[in-house]
Amino acid sequence: NAGVTQTPKFQVLKTGQSMTLQCAQDMNHEYMSWYRQDPGMGLRLIHYSVGAGITDQGEVPNGYNVSRSTTEDFPLRLLSAAPSQTSVYFCASSSPDRVGDTQYFGPGTRLTVL
Amino acid sequence: GENVEQHPSTLSVQEGDSAVIKCTYSDSASNYFPWYKQELGKRPQLIIDIRSNVGEKKDQRIAVTLNKTAKHFSLHITETQPEDSAVYFCAALDFGNEKLTFGTGTRLTIIP
Repeated sequence: NAGVTQTPKFQVLKTGQSMTLQCAQDMNHEYMSWYRQDPGMGLRLIHYSVGAGITDQGEVPNGYNVSRSTTEDFPLRLLSAAPSQTSVYFCASSSPDRVGDTQYFGPGTRLTVL
Repeated sequence: GENVEQHPSTLSVQEGDSAVIKCTYSDSASNYFPWYKQELGKRPQLIIDIRSNVGEKKDQRIAVTLNKTAKHFSLHITETQPEDSAVYFCAALDFGNEKLTFGTGTRLTIIP
């Protein structure tokens, strides 16, 4: 099992550019989520999904889109990057139907927007 | 929505001593409280969790206590070791809405 994988590990964007952060898991987890981590602010939930075809907004969804066409993949799209989106992004998944079970984090993507 | 406050933001402890990190939450519906450890440049990893029907849980040198009435929970690390140095995050979850809310983290430094 690879667990939760994220690509890329590092990315530099210019303001206004768009990109997709990839997240995949091979544990057959129903629940997947995206967090951003900024210094002094912990991890903040961007979007989450409780299963294929179902997504919902978290605490800080503005400027981000997600989709969940398969159980395995949960990409995060930045439509028009802004410097305020400079952060470390973590994808996470958890066992079948409850986020309350152990949540596995991916290795993270460090994004810089110039 | 849920709001989780975590204190202190930094903590230095002599090796061998105990460390305590405290969190409070606002939503009385929250019923699951995990703690994560994050080493520099790495992903958060679950170290212990507690559910609302339990007051205390222990795993070797790590323990978590929960006071539902006061809406606070704490992480206790005994006999601290240099490898305990990391950032620790508490979190709270209401199973009903599936959203995990994190505290802002505590940077724990163990002084040899």
